[in-house]
Amino acid sequence: ELKVEQNPLFLSMQEGKNYTIYCNYSTTSDRLYWYRQDPGKSLESLFVLLSNGAVKQEGRLMASLDTKARLSTLHITAAVHDLSATYFCAVDAYSGNTPLVFGKGTRLSVIA
Amino acid sequence: KAGVTQTPRYLIKTRGQQVTLSCSPISGHRSVSWYQQTPGQGLQFLFEYFSETQRNKGNFPGRFSGRQFSNSRSEMNVSTLELGDSALYLCASSSGGHTDTQYFGPGTRLTVL
Repeated sequence: ELKVEQNPLFLSMQEGKNYTIYCNYSTTSDRLYWYRQDPGKSLESLFVLLSNGAVKQEGRLMASLDTKARLSTLHITAAVHDLSATYFCAVDAYSGNTPLVFGKGTRLSVIA
Repeated sequence: KAGVTQTPRYLIKTRGQQVTLSCSPISGHRSVSWYQQTPGQGLQFLFEYFSETQRNKGNFPGRFSGRQFSNSRSEMNVSTLELGDSALYLCASSSGGHTDTQYFGPGTRLTVL
């Protein structure tokens, strides 16, 4: 059974600082997704990582995937308040039409 | 292009009642997945429908059921509601391919009293 672990689950950052959120998963997969959720809102797709070594960047966020280590990272550069949200990674198992398995989410709070 | 829509957005029911939630996917998308989100359990997969057929099912009791219509719209039904069914129910649509991103709707907030 595929398990997805994110850490940290809670993160309080100062504006301007850098930090990394980690997403580990337990079985082989080469498809990983990052989503953002604002309070009371739905999930917004941020990145789709489809191969080993994939790196995607959008603004202050950069995501990468290491399928051999079964690890994805979401790096935040020079955080700003608008990045405050909960970030989820989701992993698709390698074979068959299997659903996404989500991590518990990382609640990020960026403070001045 | 319109996004995924869900109705109703909020529902209050009492234990023992049943409820039907609706999801309209993005135009052209044939896959609709349903998720339950709670503070304790996080996001859990309920089921996925593709071209009117259930393609995957999560580990939920039979009280949770769904269907998909020929226009790809999907409904989810929960019978004999329990307090623990209180949650945000999200549906997501995609084209249906393995690498396709799922786009989520705004969710239906269900409260069971």
